[in-house]
Amino acid sequence: DVKVTQSSRYLVKRTGEKVFLECVQDMDHENMFWYRQDPGLGLRLIYFSYDVKMKEKGDIPEGYSVSREKKERFSLILESASTNQTSMYLCASSLAGRVAADTQYFGPGTRLTVL
Amino acid sequence: DAKTTQPNSMESNEEEPVHLPCNHSTISGTDYIHWYRQLPSQGPEYVIHGLTSNVNNRMASLAIAEDRKSSTLILHRATLRDAAVYYCILRGLSNDYKLSFGAGTTVTVRA
Repeated sequence: DVKVTQSSRYLVKRTGEKVFLECVQDMDHENMFWYRQDPGLGLRLIYFSYDVKMKEKGDIPEGYSVSREKKERFSLILESASTNQTSMYLCASSLAGRVAADTQYFGPGTRLTVL
Repeated sequence: DAKTTQPNSMESNEEEPVHLPCNHSTISGTDYIHWYRQLPSQGPEYVIHGLTSNVNNRMASLAIAEDRKSSTLILHRATLRDAAVYYCILRGLSNDYKLSFGAGTTVTVRA
């Protein structure tokens, strides 16, 4: 079974702090994703990486950056945390290939609270 | 991606089958039907996907109508662990990898 792990389940940070969320997958997947999920707004893509050191902006990249130095690890960085970044953050991975058959495997999520 | 329509909620008794319908009348010939579910306070979990033929795996079965305008996810024997929000989505030939979930169907399982 594919395993996607995230560094923390719950995190509390203060406004202005730099925050690192880490994600690791163990199935040699090329694609990795960071989403955030908020009530009433559904799942929104922050960033997508299709290979080491390659990334694409999603729908809401402002205030975030990402790093993928190794294939199995994809980090999300909040440069200066703000209260509107309080959310559930979800990492996912998938094999490269056609979108139509793309199956994404999610981590357990990190619930981030910014005070 | 084409849209899907699901009931807001369904209830089931434990150990009984659950049939979750999904309508997708504007589906194109190259769209795959995918199902995910999300348990409370967990990340979404892939359940099953198919194109034209019915599909089975260890979690569920997917029955696809002959005209492909609707499909049904079948949980053969519901357990309390199956209580979740179930999402039916279509994935086509676009290069857009992001997943977008609608409201889904909230499944409640009674002991």
